[in-house]
Amino acid sequence: NAGVMQNPRHLVRRRGQEARLRCSPVKGHSHVYWYRQLPEEGLKFMVYLQKENIIDESGMPKERFSAEFPKEGPSILRIQQVVRGDSAAYFCASSPRASEGYTFGSGTRLTVV
Amino acid sequence: GEDVEQSLFLSVREGDSSVINCTYTDSSSTYLYWYKQEPGAGLQLLTYIFSNMDMKQDQRLTVLLNKKDKHLSLRIADTQTGDSAIYFCAESIQNQGGKLIFGQGTELSVKP
Repeated sequence: NAGVMQNPRHLVRRRGQEARLRCSPVKGHSHVYWYRQLPEEGLKFMVYLQKENIIDESGMPKERFSAEFPKEGPSILRIQQVVRGDSAAYFCASSPRASEGYTFGSGTRLTVV
Repeated sequence: GEDVEQSLFLSVREGDSSVINCTYTDSSSTYLYWYKQEPGAGLQLLTYIFSNMDMKQDQRLTVLLNKKDKHLSLRIADTQTGDSAIYFCAESIQNQGGKLIFGQGTELSVKP
């Protein structure tokens, strides 16, 4: 019963490095969502992807952040030249259809030192 | 604009009922959700309600929706120490795909 798998669970990067966060959705789910949770805050929407397409990236910072969901393989959230303010928990969720309840992964906790 | 507000903390005694409240601003919400997050873990969907419903009950959980006041509540009957967690309400907005707007979470502390 594989849910949404995110890896790594914890990631430490030095300022200026790149962070790559991976998300494998539930088998058969073609909709993937990325959210960011800053310490002691709720989740903020970042991006919504459907296989090979970005549907809504209204929550993504304009620079340094990118996301993809290729035809084969996991969805990737990429953060270039990380800064301390990028330290957060990044959660991925998937659903079989838009507007249907999500399944969340356990998150990747990024720490920038 | 889209905004979801929750009180930050709630403390109850084991066996009592807990009521966690949430207000939202967008009247075009389609579904409203309650998620539970335990320390260091992801979010677990507890229950959800369609915006044209007033109430939904699922075992110890009761969701009440007052659409006129844009107020959502989650009642947990016979609260147990294992219910201690952060509870998030979230709304989905019509015609915005599956994007969810989350509240900042209510930390529920259950004392023995």
